[in-house]
Amino acid sequence: AQRVTQPEKLLSVFKGAPVELKCNYSYSGSPELFWYVQYSRQRLQLLLRHISRESIKGFTADLNKGETSFHLKKPFAQEEDSAMYYCALSGRRDDKIIFGKGTRLHILP
Amino acid sequence: DAGVTQSPTHLIKTRGQQVTLRCSPKSGHDTVSWYQQALGQGPQFIFQYYEEEERQRGNFPDRFSGHQFPNYSSELNVNALLLGDSALYLCASTPQLDRDYYNEQFFGPGTRLTVL
Repeated sequence: AQRVTQPEKLLSVFKGAPVELKCNYSYSGSPELFWYVQYSRQRLQLLLRHISRESIKGFTADLNKGETSFHLKKPFAQEEDSAMYYCALSGRRDDKIIFGKGTRLHILP
Repeated sequence: DAGVTQSPTHLIKTRGQQVTLRCSPKSGHDTVSWYQQALGQGPQFIFQYYEEEERQRGNFPDRFSGHQFPNYSSELNVNALLLGDSALYLCASTPQLDRDYYNEQFFGPGTRLTVL
């Protein structure tokens, strides 16, 4: 079954502390992995994708095929990072995106 | 470019009624996908339209149907509304690039549907 699991509904982190949002997936094949973010009163937008191997707003995500994980990390949290984060996957030549339930990241001052 | 636009913003219907939601894709995009996002859940794929045809479909009943027009805009229709259809309905558009490239989907602000 194709599935994305985000075990934490809410994650509270102090400003300046490291952040790690967990994501595990189940997929038969080699999916493309994404992190989408939704800031307050804004639309859902792409944060980063595995294939690009970019660091966006200080966030990185490493694909671990053995553990089927794609955790999102940032070394030093900022208040503007507070948002809803969704891990997602898409199959090759298959544009539909399968989303996890999301993790709300709350950065404490 | 306003990006992906959706109308209406909010909608209230009663059980058994029918509803039509509308989406205009981002300029230069020709593929439109629809997602349902229930409260506290991630978006769930409903279907995708390309070249005015439904190309893919998720696990949604036939009460959910759609259409794409020659200008790439799209409609989502839901018949015989149920209380469980209350959700945020998101539209996303994609540029049609090489099929080996994983396209980014650009999302609209959504239409909040409440079924009473």
